[in-house]
Amino acid sequence: AQSVSQHNHHVILSEAASLELGCNYSYGGTVNLFWYVQYPGQHLQLLLKYFSGDPLVKGIKGFEAEFIKSKFSFNLRKPSVQWSDTAEYFCAVMRGGATNKLIFGTGTLLAVQP
Amino acid sequence: KAGVTQTPRYLIKTRGQQVTLSCSPISGHRSVSWYQQTPGQGLQFLFEYFSETQRNKGNFPGRFSGRQFSNSRSEMNVSTLELGDSALYLCASRAASGSTGELFFGEGSRLTVL
Repeated sequence: AQSVSQHNHHVILSEAASLELGCNYSYGGTVNLFWYVQYPGQHLQLLLKYFSGDPLVKGIKGFEAEFIKSKFSFNLRKPSVQWSDTAEYFCAVMRGGATNKLIFGTGTLLAVQP
Repeated sequence: KAGVTQTPRYLIKTRGQQVTLSCSPISGHRSVSWYQQTPGQGLQFLFEYFSETQRNKGNFPGRFSGRQFSNSRSEMNVSTLELGDSALYLCASRAASGSTGELFFGEGSRLTVL
């Protein structure tokens, strides 16, 4: 069965520090990859997505992610975090084809200290 | 345009009762999917509807059911509630199943089972 692993459950950073959140998935076929963010008290929002093409994708708020097919990874990065980035981050995988079924990772809670 | 609207936002039920949750997708979106979010299991896919047809179903017991109406609005029902059904139930809509468009999430219906 498909699964998505997020290696860090809790991350604490100071403002201006660099961020990298790991995400690995287990599925050998065509996949679409996503990072979602959930700010405190708000709904899930899409940060970025990968469907095809350039494996380095840029999203909103300065986030980017790199798809490395050989490693089944889709790590999220941001060069300099801000206090407002405090949120829970979810990696998700969707099999290619006519489906909206997302398999989510367990999430990473990021706390940015001012 | 208005986002994905879920009602009710909060509800409390007792074991053995049943509950119906409603989701109005973004105008023009025909694909609706449902997810359950709990602290222990994270975000799990329940089912997906497109043009009133269930396209995909997650690994949940038959007590969980759903439907979609001709106006794309969707409902999910949970019968014979158990304590473990306490969760945030999220609805997401998309323009069409399998499209590369973004999946938009609602704020969720928080169900507490006593």
